[in-house]
Amino acid sequence: EIVLTQSPGTLSLSPGERATLSCRASQSVSGRYLAWYQQKPGQAPRLLIYDASSRATGIPDRFSGSGSGTDFTLTISRLEPEDFAVYYCQHYTNTPWTFGQGTKVEIK
Amino acid sequence: EVQLVESGGGLVQPGGSLRLSCAASGFTFSNYWMHWVRQAPGKGLFWVSRISGDGGTTLYADSVKGRFTISRDNAKNTLYLQMNSLRAEDTALYYCARRSDSGGYFDNWGQGTLVTVSS
Repeated sequence: EIVLTQSPGTLSLSPGERATLSCRASQSVSGRYLAWYQQKPGQAPRLLIYDASSRATGIPDRFSGSGSGTDFTLTISRLEPEDFAVYYCQHYTNTPWTFGQGTKVEIK
Repeated sequence: EVQLVESGGGLVQPGGSLRLSCAASGFTFSNYWMHWVRQAPGKGLFWVSRISGDGGTTLYADSVKGRFTISRDNAKNTLYLQMNSLRAEDTALYYCARRSDSGGYFDNWGQGTLVTVSS
């Protein structure tokens, strides 16, 4: 089973700042089969990024994903008020599918 | 518009059973593999189970194998999760999620149904 470790646990930033979220896998994620989701309180997760760097439909271009192998990054170039949420990475290179524990992006 | 609406959650005693449903609309349900993902209160996401479009292939997380059964009725556009021998650690919000047709990620999620296992 691939274990995904996200860091930091909490990121305290101000609107307009850049957010950099990390997701590290315990073994290589082949095919760059990694996704990122955003979850706001009381809401279901929403797909942001798939295949490590492809934006899902309707996702603003301030969100970008990068990485390969065991190290992946989600970058939010300039935080908007609606971006403060919890972000999860998830691999789908093999079963079982697993998620990282999440990074909370909070308003500083 | 894709819609996934879960139902069937509630309070159940340890050892009890519950059947969750997920009503799908806005897409050709039988063309998509479907999943259940759960989230314990205040915790992260945990994949539970998956079923192929025709219902012929299923997979489970080790922690629920032998206790949970995933199924679907494509005529009714509905996904199910039969949960037996429930434990306190099964307490969670259960989401149904659609697997994208281009990869193993989840492109649409329902709003979830809460299952509480407690005496």
